[in-house]
Amino acid sequence: EADIYQTPRYLVIGTGKKITLECSQTMGHDKMYWYQQDPGMELHLIHYSYGVNSTEKGDLSSESTVSRIRTEHFPLTLESARPSHTSQYLCASSKFGLDSYNEQFFGPGTRLTVL
Amino acid sequence: DAKTTQPNSMESNEEEPVHLPCNHSTISGTDYIHWYRQLPSQGPEYVIHGLTSNVNNRMASLAIAEDRKSSTLILHRATLRDAAVYYCILPNSGNTPLVFGKGTRLSVIA
Repeated sequence: EADIYQTPRYLVIGTGKKITLECSQTMGHDKMYWYQQDPGMELHLIHYSYGVNSTEKGDLSSESTVSRIRTEHFPLTLESARPSHTSQYLCASSKFGLDSYNEQFFGPGTRLTVL
Repeated sequence: DAKTTQPNSMESNEEEPVHLPCNHSTISGTDYIHWYRQLPSQGPEYVIHGLTSNVNNRMASLAIAEDRKSSTLILHRATLRDAAVYYCILPNSGNTPLVFGKGTRLSVIA
């Protein structure tokens, strides 16, 4: 059972609001990731971090931002939500080391709807 | 990541074995082969990984061709709970995150 948590699980919000999606893991993993996935579509990496104070953009351009002030916490923020941000956001983590053989653990996801 | 090719969808009857193929003809000697699956409305979960030898765990078996250009994920007895999208992934040997393609959508018929 993976110890990685996301809140909220579901969020419906109006255009222009600022939102923060929370992701926490209790496994002591250095590496954390945010993926975005539309229904029935592929997962796309939008942000990742390999440790405290380290963040990188992923393959899919996103207007969201992330921070990594504590090892266990990797929140994602949208300063001004728009309907185009409606999607599922999945957080994941893995141990430090080459990704070739380090399992990624995923949270349950946050389904965001922007009206 | 090295490119992988999987069928878009497959169908299986419950209680029967399922063989999910993956082609990765550009695989390098140090690329591990990873399989993940994503159940409906959930995040992906790790299934199995291997390098050269066939691998078994409680969820599945992984059969790797001798030339490593293809592999097959084997579910020995499909259940309705195995209906999911299965991803075959070859991570970069460098320090980069996993890249998920389209995967194979497995339907299990009762």
